[in-house]
Amino acid sequence: QVQLQQWGAGLLKPSETLSLTCAVYGGSLSGFYWNWIRQPPGKGLEWLGEVNHGVATNYNPSLKSRVTISVDTSKNQISLKLSSVTAADTAVYFCARGLGNSSGWSGSWGQGTLVTVSS
Amino acid sequence: DIHMTQSPSSVSASVGDRVTITCRASQHISSWLAWYQQKPGRAPKLLIYAASYLHRGVPSRFSGSGSGTDFTLTISSLQPEDFATYYCQQANSPPVTFGQGTKVEIK
Repeated sequence: QVQLQQWGAGLLKPSETLSLTCAVYGGSLSGFYWNWIRQPPGKGLEWLGEVNHGVATNYNPSLKSRVTISVDTSKNQISLKLSSVTAADTAVYFCARGLGNSSGWSGSWGQGTLVTVSS
Repeated sequence: DIHMTQSPSSVSASVGDRVTITCRASQHISSWLAWYQQKPGRAPKLLIYAASYLHRGVPSRFSGSGSGTDFTLTISSLQPEDFATYYCQQANSPPVTFGQGTKVEIK
């Protein structure tokens, strides 16, 4: 069964770049869509974007040009970068694998990483 | 963006109760709807996809129905482990969007 393990810096200052990595164990990146989703404390879920096995990406327009999702097939990892962070970017960030070859459903999730933006 | 509205925002129920949560999309999404369960401090878990398909390992007391703009998640007999927050999510067109959540609490 696939497992997703995330890590990255948990405390950032405003204007810095958020950088998270999601390692995939027990499965390949190929043939799947990979999503990043976040959840501000006590609030709901927000989809940030996705990347597929072909390295094509699709981002939430609300993040404009601040977000980048990429894959490293040699390490079996997916990464998220979010530039120019503000307090509004404080959230738990999740990576998730799409179900089958569909981009719509997130069937396997990482454990989540809390990122706090504070001066 | 497609806006997803869940109702109720919270529901108090007892073990053994039948619980129904509804989700309405701001535009037609066919059957491009999923339901997730989330417990405090944990990642969401996929319960239902394509409106009515049960994800592997999910108990059969969970069921989903609907198409177009109106959808329902039903828990036929609430169990202690079902107390959690439930989210609907549309995947008809990007960006993927979620409902605001429905918290199922112990009565």
